[in-house]
Amino acid sequence: GDSVTQMEGPVTLSEEAFLTINCTYTATGYPSLFWYVQYPGEGLQLLLKATKADDKGSNKGFEATYRKETTSFHLEKGSVQVSDSAVYFCALSEGETSGSRLTFGEGTQLTVNP
Amino acid sequence: DVKVTQSSRYLVKRTGEKVFLECVQDMDHENMFWYRQDPGLGLRLIYFSYDVKMKEKGDIPEGYSVSREKKERFSLILESASTNQTSMYLCASFPGTENYGYTFGSGTRLTVV
Repeated sequence: GDSVTQMEGPVTLSEEAFLTINCTYTATGYPSLFWYVQYPGEGLQLLLKATKADDKGSNKGFEATYRKETTSFHLEKGSVQVSDSAVYFCALSEGETSGSRLTFGEGTQLTVNP
Repeated sequence: DVKVTQSSRYLVKRTGEKVFLECVQDMDHENMFWYRQDPGLGLRLIYFSYDVKMKEKGDIPEGYSVSREKKERFSLILESASTNQTSMYLCASFPGTENYGYTFGSGTRLTVV
């Protein structure tokens, strides 16, 4: 079945450091890929998405590129802020649209220190 | 903005109790989902529904049931709560067409003692 694997956490960085959170997936078809973020005490929010190979999703300074050849969708940000401290989830959907059921990775806790 | 509201942020229940977790969305979405979130396991799908009175089992349905009598409301039921059901429960909705992904509620942290 489908699966998503994220890099082990937690990740602790200083403000303005470069962030990479690795995500790889296994899927039978051509999934859509997502990054969700969960701030303390809140539900998940969609951060960015990509629906086909070589697409780049971007939002709030975060980027991720859909790499079919390496089945990866790594999340990057050039300069993190304290306010980026949160849990980040990589997810995929096999549906043709952005919907149908989502399969999530384990989540990566990011802490950014001033 | 779409809003998904879960009725309780925190609940404490006793082993063996019947527990109802309520979720309401206000944008006429067809699809609704219940996940549980546990450290190191990410989110796991319990049940989902694509329409009123319709339900499908997710990956971990054992010990749970659901009800969807109206389009906007999707209830998760723990028939007889057990300590291994202590978790964060997240409800989500989705309209069923190309969009920007699911909308999640804020979650209900359930503790079974």
